Amino acid sequence: EVQLVESGGGLVQTGGSLRLSCAASGFTFSTYGMSWVRQAPGKGLEWVSVISGKGETTYYADSVMGRFTISRDNSKDTLYMQMNSLRGEDTAVYYCAKTLRYISGWIDSWGQGTLVTVSS
Amino acid sequence: QPVLTHSSSASASLGSSVKLTCTLSSGHSHYIIAWHQQQPGKAPRYLMKVEGSGNYNRGSGVPDRFSGSSSGADRYLTISNLQSEDEADYYCETWDSNTWVFGGGTKLTVL
Repeated sequence: EVQLVESGGGLVQTGGSLRLSCAASGFTFSTYGMSWVRQAPGKGLEWVSVISGKGETTYYADSVMGRFTISRDNSKDTLYMQMNSLRGEDTAVYYCAKTLRYISGWIDSWGQGTLVTVSS
Repeated sequence: QPVLTHSSSASASLGSSVKLTCTLSSGHSHYIIAWHQQQPGKAPRYLMKVEGSGNYNRGSGVPDRFSGSSSGADRYLTISNLQSEDEADYYCETWDSNTWVFGGGTKLTVL
């Protein structure tokens, strides 16, 4: 059974930084692309970033390009998101998600989410 | 990149059926989409993928009360024998080379 467990969320000031982690189990981690998806309070789902199975390819939404960096450590079956220059509009629950294939395909598993609150 | 548009909020009675719609933007009518369910206060859950041909495949553990279909640019999620736990937000999702896209979601109320 696929399990994705996020951690690292919390309260941070505007302009600050935070690193999220997602521990994966139940599947061959390095074989699949992994994404971060966020949901602002009372809003819908917004895709943030994706990374290929071995980490050589990454893509970002325009809203976070240049501020967020996705990475992975396949020896630890762990996905990361380094978030810098945080803004109020980055306040959201951040979900770790597994994609169907190496760097493409729909999301077929979700974590439980971790809340990031950016406050001035 | 594709844009996904949901039907407006829906409501249906316990034990009845409901059909939700997700529409792909022009030029993307052949795309595969995925449906996700988000119950109040919970993380999203993958339900199924739906192809332009109408073929669909449910995710692991998804009851067969949930089915998918397709017509042109429209992708459908039909829920039969509605249960109280089906009250949730439903999102469709697709991807295109270097970007993933979600629709704005449809809120389903079970009466």
